[in-house]
Amino acid sequence: DTEVTQTPKHLVMGMTNKKSLKCEQHMGHRAMYWYKQKAKKPPELMFVYSYEKLSINESVPSRFSPECPNSSLLNLHLHALQPEDSALYLCASSLQGPYGYTFGSGTRLTVV
Amino acid sequence: GESVGLHLPTLSVQEGDNSIINCAYSNSASDYFIWYKQESGKGPQFIIDIRSNMDKRQGQRVTVLLNKTVKHLSLQIAATQPGDSAVYFCAEPSETGNQFYFGTGTSLTVIP
Repeated sequence: DTEVTQTPKHLVMGMTNKKSLKCEQHMGHRAMYWYKQKAKKPPELMFVYSYEKLSINESVPSRFSPECPNSSLLNLHLHALQPEDSALYLCASSLQGPYGYTFGSGTRLTVV
Repeated sequence: GESVGLHLPTLSVQEGDNSIINCAYSNSASDYFIWYKQESGKGPQFIIDIRSNMDKRQGQRVTVLLNKTVKHLSLQIAATQPGDSAVYFCAEPSETGNQFYFGTGTSLTVIP
């Protein structure tokens, strides 16, 4: 298995809703990442998990809450989002540092 | 953070022609670069990478050139096909190697 799988592919949520994005990989990668991508822009890093511990939080608002239950799974919990949070949310994983960096197909999030 | 930029935001080429996408980087200590292809609604897909001890690397229909003197790399696509239409990003890892800095992206459109 050489893929990073993200679910759901599309999500529409209201500003008072609570939802979660899920990311899974079975490549034995020990680093996992969340990126946010707005239209016509490059991906921007949000969080980095290394060996299941949060190592980087790029000053992301607390309405985004990451979780890494095990080495294969990464979640992003969403609560009280704003319309400007609508974007493509990408998960990635890597074996070590930048090598073998693999992206998922993303979750297209729309906040209404 | 580091600066990785692209010279041209859009590029249109005739099917069958060769395409050249350019990228400038600012960190002279960078030793690894990746080109990604991102199709509409999908996550970035690895195309080719190159280490700083190389000037050129070839893949299937793609070639990456690295000029460390002027901190410039380029992606050449031979015999461009409609399926090559996408946004192309160059990326370099941070000094700690736990995230990638992406260029602004070049949108390639192949005209049939």
